[in-house]
Formats: sequence, structure tokens, C-alpha cells
Amino acid sequence: EVQLVESGGGLVQPGGSLRLSCVVSGISVRSDDMHWVRQGEGKSLEWVSGIGTAGDTYYLGSVRGRFTLSRENAKNSVYLQMNNLRAGDTAVYYCARGPLMGTIDYWGQGTLVTVSS
Amino acid sequence: SYDLTQPPSVSVFVGQTASISCSGDKLGDQYVSWFQKKPGQSPVLVMFQDSRRPSGIPVRFSGSNSGNTATLTISGTQAMDAADYYCQAWDSNTGVFGTGTKVTVL
Repeated sequence: EVQLVESGGGLVQPGGSLRLSCVVSGISVRSDDMHWVRQGEGKSLEWVSGIGTAGDTYYLGSVRGRFTLSRENAKNSVYLQMNNLRAGDTAVYYCARGPLMGTIDYWGQGTLVTVSS
Repeated sequence: SYDLTQPPSVSVFVGQTASISCSGDKLGDQYVSWFQKKPGQSPVLVMFQDSRRPSGIPVRFSGSNSGNTATLTISGTQAMDAADYYCQAWDSNTGVFGTGTKVTVL
């Protein structure tokens, strides 16, 4: 059974940082592309970032330079380091699996990030 | 940037057919996925590669994609199909989701 479990969300002040983690079981982050997708309250789903098996990373324009996606094969995990957070980054963040340019098929349960003073 | 536009809402009576459109420039040149999203739940893949149903998705769900428009169709809509639906495609290794459509089952 494939499971993706996110953690690391919480309340942070504008300008602050958070690191989201996604621990994966049933598949290997070494051989699968992984993504982070978010949804703000009352808003659409929004793709945030993706990482390929070669370590290539891609970002939504509004987070490029502030967010960094990485992978740790030994822990079968991916991480999203989020710096200089803004109110507009407030959302539930989902970890997901699927090939870049392909089908995103497995999703985690999400972790809530709230950016507020 | 690449945009995918969906109607904000679609209403359908139980047992009738609901069609949800997704419009984007030359969308028919690539594969489209569709996700069902209910409050408090993770998105669920209901259609991939335009018209393929994942295991466990009822046959009443079907899809098509041509020109600038992809369409998700729910035939014989059930009350359990009430949800938000999002199309999804790619723009040079960057994912793009549609604006979302709220399906109300009457």
C-alpha cells in the first residue's frame, strides 16, 4: 500500500520559515518524481514544486527563490523548505507522487501552514 | 503563464449527466488529468491521460480532450459525486490546475 505522510505545518509569522516533510512508504522517492501541491481556503489547487529522479527541481513562479524542494533517499522522504513566508502562502500543503509531465496519482493527507502575525 | 479555465459551478439532478469543461491553449496537444476534491479530504484522481479511469473509479466517469477543451462527464450522477473537480495539465515541467468546478447534485 502506498502512503505519503506529511508533517511540519503550523503557525508562522510573515517572513518566517518552515520545513515540511513527507515520509513515503510503498514506493521509492529514489525512482519516483514527487510534488507539493497546496490549497488555500476557498481557493483552487495550486502546484507548488516538483522534483525529478535526477534531482532536477521545478517551482511555481511565486515561490521560486523562497522554497527549496529536496529528497533524502535513505529516509524515503522529500522536504519542502519554505523561507520568507507570506500571508498568501497560507494553505494546506499536500505531498504527491507522479512523473513530471505525467499523472499525479498518490496524495498525502496534507499539512496546514498558516502565515499570520 | 499557462491558464486552465473551468466553469465555477455545475448543477445536475440525480441520475442525469454532468459535463465539466476545462479550457486552455492547445490543451488537446497534451494529456489531462481530473481530480475530485471533497472538503477535508485529499484530492482523488478520477481520470488520467484524458479518458482513462483509475482502478476503483466508477464507469459513469468518462473524459475527452480535443482542440482547446477537455471535458469530464459524469453519467447517471450520484449524490456521492457532489464535490469540487479540477483539471490538471503541464507547462514545461510546471504543473497547472484548473480554476475548479463545484458540482452540486440536486
